[in-house]
Amino acid sequence: DGGITQSPKYLFRKEGQNVTLSCEQNLNHDAMYWYRQDPGQGLRLIYYSQIVNDFQKGDIAEGYSVSREKKESFPLTVTSAQKNPTAFYLCATNGRTSGIYNEQFFGPGTRLTVL
Amino acid sequence: DQQVKQNSPSLSVQEGRISILNCDYTNSMFDYFLWYKKYPAEGPTFLISISSIKDKNEDGRFTVFLNKSAKHLSLHIVPSQPGDSAVYFCAASEAGFGNEKLTFGTGTRLTIIP
Repeated sequence: DGGITQSPKYLFRKEGQNVTLSCEQNLNHDAMYWYRQDPGQGLRLIYYSQIVNDFQKGDIAEGYSVSREKKESFPLTVTSAQKNPTAFYLCATNGRTSGIYNEQFFGPGTRLTVL
Repeated sequence: DQQVKQNSPSLSVQEGRISILNCDYTNSMFDYFLWYKKYPAEGPTFLISISSIKDKNEDGRFTVFLNKSAKHLSLHIVPSQPGDSAVYFCAASEAGFGNEKLTFGTGTRLTIIP
C-alpha cells in the first residue's frame, strides 16, 4: 500500500527538549517537504529536499533541522531554539514523477505539543 | 509578504447550492495553481489544479477558473454536499522543472448546511 507515513500522530515534549518527527514514503518520489500549520494560518514551508543528501531552507527554518540520507525518509528535528514549536506538522512528497506537475501528496500529520 | 491570499476565512452554503471559494495571488511568476481540501487533524488532499495556459478546468462537481490578468482564481463546487465541509487551501508554484515549491493561502473553512 503506497503512501506517506508520519509517526507518531500525537507527540508531547517538555520545553527545552529536542524532538524528531518521522516521515517515510514508499511512493518513490524524489522531493519531500515539511510544513507546519497553525490555527488560522496556511501551510508554511520549513524545509524541503529535492534529492538525497540535499535540502534547502523554506520560509520558517529557524529552530528546525532535517536530514535526507535515504530517498524514503526525511526526518524533522524540532530543536529547543524553536520558540513556538506547538503546531501540526505535515510531511509531503512531490508527484512530478507521476506526470502530475507540482502536485504534492501529504502525510496524515503529527500534532506536537510542547508543555 | 502573503503571495497567495484567501480573504474569506469562512463560508457557509446550503446543501445543493453552489460554493465559490476565491483566491488571489501577487507573484506574476506563478504558473500552476492547485486546490487542496483538508479535514481536521488530517493531511490535505489534492482536489484539482490548473495551468496558466488554461482558464478553466473541470473535474466532476469541481471547477477551477483562472483569471490571469486579475491574478485571481476560484473554485466552484456544485452541487455542494455535507462531505464538502472542510478547509480549502489554494496553492501556487512557479514554472520550471525543479520549482515544485508550493506557496499556500491561509485557507477558507467551508460549512455546508443540510
